[in-house]
Amino acid sequence: QTVVTQEPSFSVSPGGTVTLTCGLSSGSVSTSYYPSWYQQTPGQAPRTLIHSTNSRSSGVPDRFSGSILGNKGALTITGAQADDESDYYCMLYMGSGFGWVFGGGTKLTVL
Amino acid sequence: QVQLQESGPGLVKPSETLSLTCTVSGGSISGYYWSWIRQPAGKGLEWIGRIYSSGFTYYNPSLKSRVTMSVDTSQSQFSLKVTSVTAADTAMYYCARGPFSTWDPFDYWGQGTLVSVSS
Repeated sequence: QTVVTQEPSFSVSPGGTVTLTCGLSSGSVSTSYYPSWYQQTPGQAPRTLIHSTNSRSSGVPDRFSGSILGNKGALTITGAQADDESDYYCMLYMGSGFGWVFGGGTKLTVL
Repeated sequence: QVQLQESGPGLVKPSETLSLTCTVSGGSISGYYWSWIRQPAGKGLEWIGRIYSSGFTYYNPSLKSRVTMSVDTSQSQFSLKVTSVTAADTAMYYCARGPFSTWDPFDYWGQGTLVSVSS
C-alpha cells in the first residue's frame, strides 16, 4: 500500500523560508491528488491551511503557500514566525478505493 | 460560525463498541459532508470516514469492516460507531465538516474527544 511521506522534522530561523514536502512511497504527487495542508499545535485541533494544492483557507496569511515541486506536494512558509512552530500534516486524495490519506507529519521548529 | 462538539464515553472496554456523537451548531448540517478523523497520542492523523447529510457514507477501507456512521438532521448530529475495539483504537477523535469534493478541505473541526480502550 502506498504511503504518504513527510520529513519527520525541520527547523527554520525566524524570518526565514522553509519548504515542507509531501511525497508518495511509490509514484509522484500531482494536482490530481489535491494535496492539502493542516497545522496543529499541541493540545489543539488541526487548522486547515491549504487545499487543492494551492488554495489558502479563509484567514490564513499569504506567507503560507502550496505548490507542486518536482514529484511532491509542497508547503512553503516565508518569513517564519515563532508561532509557526507546529506539526504540519499533508493529506492526499488517493482515489475512490482509498479515500483521504494523511502523511505522518512534520514537526517544525523555529529557532 | 459553524461549531462542532464531540461527545461520548472516554473509556471503552476491549472488544466492545465505541460510540461518539458530533453536534453541529451555528450552521446547517444539511447539504454537507461530515467526517471523523482520529489521532493516537503522539502520532499522525487518520481519516475514518465521511457521511453526507442524506446518509450516504464513504469509509476508510482499512476500518470499513468495523465502522458505521449515521446522521440525525433533526438533532444536527452525526455519529460514529467502531466495533470490536482494541488498544489500537485509543486516540483523540475529531469530527469535521467536509470534504465536500475530492479537492475540498475539512473546513471546520471539533476540539476532539479522547477515547481510551482499556479493561
